[in-house]
Amino acid sequence: AQSVTQPDIHITVSEGASLELRCNYSYGATPYLFWYVQSPGQGLQLLLKYFSGDTLVQGIKGFEAEFKRSQSSFNLRKPSVHWSDAAEYFCAVHYTSGTYKYIFGTGTRLKVLA
Amino acid sequence: DADVTQTPRNRITKTGKRIMLECSQTKGHDRMYWYRQDPGLGLRLIYYSFDVKDINKGEISDGYSVSRQAQAKFSLSLESAIPNQTALYFCATSLGQGGSLGEQFFGPGTRLTVL
Repeated sequence: AQSVTQPDIHITVSEGASLELRCNYSYGATPYLFWYVQSPGQGLQLLLKYFSGDTLVQGIKGFEAEFKRSQSSFNLRKPSVHWSDAAEYFCAVHYTSGTYKYIFGTGTRLKVLA
Repeated sequence: DADVTQTPRNRITKTGKRIMLECSQTKGHDRMYWYRQDPGLGLRLIYYSFDVKDINKGEISDGYSVSRQAQAKFSLSLESAIPNQTALYFCATSLGQGGSLGEQFFGPGTRLTVL
């Protein structure tokens, strides 16, 4: 079955440090890839998305993600984390062939130390 | 601003009660979705609707039903609530086929507790 894996349940970084959140997905033709962020008490907000073209995509709030087809990965990065980035981050994959499939990973909760 | 709203935001109910969660959107999107979020499990799709006459089960539809009253309204019902339906429920919308690459827009969520 198609799946999305976020191997890190919790990550703690110091403010100003760099960040990388991992996401791996099972093989599927032409997946659309997304990263969403959920701040406490709120719904999910899109950070960035990828379908085709340049494999390094830029999103909001200074985030970027790189698609690596050979590794089935779509890792999220930020060069310098701010305290306001503390939230839960979800990777999602939309498979566009066959039965409708829009699958979320289990999330990574980011804690930022002052 | 065009938005996705959910009512109620919080609800406590008892086992066996029928409960309805409501979702409205002003985005003009055709597609609407209901998810539940549980700690450590991410979001799981309960039902989705591509238009008023097109409603489909998601991966965890047992114990739930939905109604798409209009393009802008999509309700989720628990016919007889049970404690393991305690969760955070989200409504989401998206454009039609291929629109915006499938980006979904989420409501603020409804926290449901079944005692």
